[in-house]
Amino acid sequence: AQSVTQPDIHITVSEGASLELRCNYSYGATPYLFWYVQSPGQGLQLLLKYFSGDTLVQGIKGFEAEFKRSQSSFNLRKPSVHWSDAAEYFCAVGSNNNDMRFGAGTRLTVKP
Amino acid sequence: DAGITQSPRHKVTETGTPVTLRCHQTENHRYMYWYRQDPGHGLRLIHYSYGVKDTDKGEVSDGYSVSRSKTEDFLLTLESATSSQTSVYFCAISGLDEQFFGPGTRLTVL
Repeated sequence: AQSVTQPDIHITVSEGASLELRCNYSYGATPYLFWYVQSPGQGLQLLLKYFSGDTLVQGIKGFEAEFKRSQSSFNLRKPSVHWSDAAEYFCAVGSNNNDMRFGAGTRLTVKP
Repeated sequence: DAGITQSPRHKVTETGTPVTLRCHQTENHRYMYWYRQDPGHGLRLIHYSYGVKDTDKGEVSDGYSVSRSKTEDFLLTLESATSSQTSVYFCAISGLDEQFFGPGTRLTVL
């Protein structure tokens, strides 16, 4: 069965610092991988997705993620965090976009 | 933004009462989903629909039923609400290669 683990429940970074959010998945075949962001009181917005091809994926708002099959990971990165990036981030895995499992989420706090 | 609305946005009800949440889309997408979001669990799929009158269970379907009589509407019903169903409920629709989410409904069962 597919599953997603986000090891970090809460991360605090200073504004301008780099960010990496971890995501590990369990899946039997080549997965579809997603990162979503949720601002307080809002729905989820897609940051980026990976289906195949180049393992380094660029998304919106300056985010990128790298698919590493050997490590079963799809970590999200941003070189310089802005205060507006404070939110909760969810990694998801699926066989397609109709069958997805979400991780528990990582809450990001940005210090001034 | 994808045209997805949810109603009501907030609801407080009492244990044992029936509750229906509505999801409405204007995108004419075939697939629609109901998730619940709880701290420490992320989003978990309750039920989904792959067409009018075609629905199936997700991983946390106990205590919930759904109906889809029109492409644009997907209803989630709690037949007899329990306190464990206090949660934030999200509807989603499936586009070409991603899911789009509604704004959510916060349900409190007292």
